[in-house]
Amino acid sequence: GESVGLHLPTLSVQEGDNSIINCAYSNSASDYFIWYKQESGKGPQFIIDIRSNMDKRQGQRVTVLLNKTVKHLSLQIAATQPGDSAVYFCAENSHNTDKLIFGTGTRLQVFP
Amino acid sequence: GAGVSQSPSNKVTEKGKDVELRCDPISGHTALYWYRQSLGQGLEFLIYFQGNSAPDKSGLPSDRFSAERTGGSVSTLTIQRTQQEDSAVYLCASSAQEGGQPQHFGDGTRLSIL
Repeated sequence: GESVGLHLPTLSVQEGDNSIINCAYSNSASDYFIWYKQESGKGPQFIIDIRSNMDKRQGQRVTVLLNKTVKHLSLQIAATQPGDSAVYFCAENSHNTDKLIFGTGTRLQVFP
Repeated sequence: GAGVSQSPSNKVTEKGKDVELRCDPISGHTALYWYRQSLGQGLEFLIYFQGNSAPDKSGLPSDRFSAERTGGSVSTLTIQRTQQEDSAVYLCASSAQEGGQPQHFGDGTRLSIL
């Protein structure tokens, strides 16, 4: 269950459905974007990345879309499975800096 | 090991004590980062090491926090005179080079200040 003080936006999906997790970024100079998955008690796990010269990139069951016009990033998960349940973070990085700026995260809950 | 290793996994200490947190990055990774994650929050950048360059310390919240990286590999984050607000998970990440490469994280050290 959730802990006191945890107010992450939550997306609940049925197993087998597609999930879309959205992220707005703030720095128009950011040129590299990453999605991470974090399970309870674990560190963030790299899922997929995209550079600003692309608007779409596909991995295994995941697709990242980048809309630079409105500074929006999304992660699509196809055929969502119970093992996909986790908190998902987007992060941005500018070539002028080397530190990632993380969003606040979205909790994905998959129910049977 | 194959991934980033952090120790200890949990640390409980009394307010005012000093603590040291250790990070072993992935072999061959030249860049090493420390982040802090408070309960239910995103990750907050603390410090970044790249090769022999001077570290980027711009995220350290106070002068009680310091970090070093010996021999371009293992890093230690030190918090002196700990305060209760220092309680968080401290995460270390490494990447093959600076900028534009995915950072790979360890599972963190959960620090609790009593």
